[in-house]
Order: sequence, then structure tokens, then C-alpha cells
Amino acid sequence: DVKVTQSSRYLVKRTGEKVFLECVQDMDHENMFWYRQDPGLGLRLIYFSYDVKMKEKGDIPEGYSVSREKKERFSLILESASTNQTSMYLCASSFSRVADTQYFGPGTRLTVL
Amino acid sequence: DQQVKQNSPSLSVQEGRISILNCDYTNSMFDYFLWYKKYPAEGPTFLISISSIKDKNEDGRFTVFLNKSAKHLSLHIVPSQPGDSAVYFCAASVRTGGGADGLTFGKGTHLIIQP
Repeated sequence: DVKVTQSSRYLVKRTGEKVFLECVQDMDHENMFWYRQDPGLGLRLIYFSYDVKMKEKGDIPEGYSVSREKKERFSLILESASTNQTSMYLCASSFSRVADTQYFGPGTRLTVL
Repeated sequence: DQQVKQNSPSLSVQEGRISILNCDYTNSMFDYFLWYKKYPAEGPTFLISISSIKDKNEDGRFTVFLNKSAKHLSLHIVPSQPGDSAVYFCAASVRTGGGADGLTFGKGTHLIIQP
């Protein structure tokens, strides 16, 4: 079974803080993705990576950066958290470069005060 | 511009009956479609998929139908069970061409199964 884990289920941060969200997958998947889910907006792609040290912007990359130093780990960074970044953050991975079924982690509910 | 549309934010169905969730898309390049199910405070779980070379795919109580000419797909759940109450997301991708741009998701439909 594919396992995607996220470092925290719930996180509360203050405006201006630097926030790190970590994601680890154990199936040697090439692709990893970060989404955010907001009511009425569905899932929106922030960034994705198809290889170590590679990254591509998704639909809403502003205010975020990512890091992929190892194949199994993909980090999402909020350089200076703002209240409009309060959301559910979901990490996913898929086997190959060609778009394929994605497997999601449990999500991190981030609240920025 | 929304490329994948789920026009019903919610749907209520009686237990034991058929649930039909609908999804429309505008990008004719999409060739792979998926349905995900999501419970509150959990990540989405993959349910079923269909390639554009098929018009139907079945897995147990779940069947997905694809109508390419209408750019429409639907998920049928028969019979509906209380545990099916969740938010269902339709997603699409361009699988050919070597791209890896992620999936494009609809906004979701909240399915409520009434006892």
C-alpha cells in the first residue's frame, strides 16, 4: 500500500512566521504535489516536483516555495504566513512523470492567526 | 476558467438507491479521468478511474461512464450505503505527451446518504 505521511495534522501559526510543511512517501514515486483545499474552491495545485531538486509552479504558487532534496520528501514553505493561507494542505505522490493516479496524505489543517 | 466542473455542490440520496454524480470538462486534451472520495479532516482517497479509450469502467458498486462527445462523465454508486456519505471530487489529466502537470480537480459534490 502506498503511504503518504504529513508531519502535522493541525498547525497554528502567527502572521509573518515561516512555516514548513513536510511530506514523505514510501513508494519510490517520482512525482510529488502540494495542493490546498478550501470550501467551494476544491483542490488547487500549488507546486509539484517530478524529480529531486526539480520543481514546477502549479496554479497558485504565490506566497509559497518548495524543496525536494530527497526523492521521498517534499516540503512546502510559507516564507511569511498570512491569514489568507489558512487552509487544508494536501500532499500527494504518483508513480511516474506521465500523469497518473495520485495518492494523498491525510492533510495538514493550518490556521494562521 | 474552470476546466472541470461539478455543478451540484451537494446531493442527497436514500440508502439503497442509486447515487449519480456528474462532472463536465472543457479541455478536449484531457484523456484520463479519476474520482476521489474525501471524508472531513482526511486526504482524498482514489476511487476509480477511466481512460478516454473507454466509455465505462466498473469496480464493485462503483461505475464511471465517460461520454467524450459531450465532455461529460458520471459516477454511479449502487446501492448507496451510509459510508458513502463524503465529498466526491472529479479530476482530469492529460496523460499522453509526457507532461506531469498534476490533476485538475472539480470543486466537489457533497453526497449525503439518508437512512
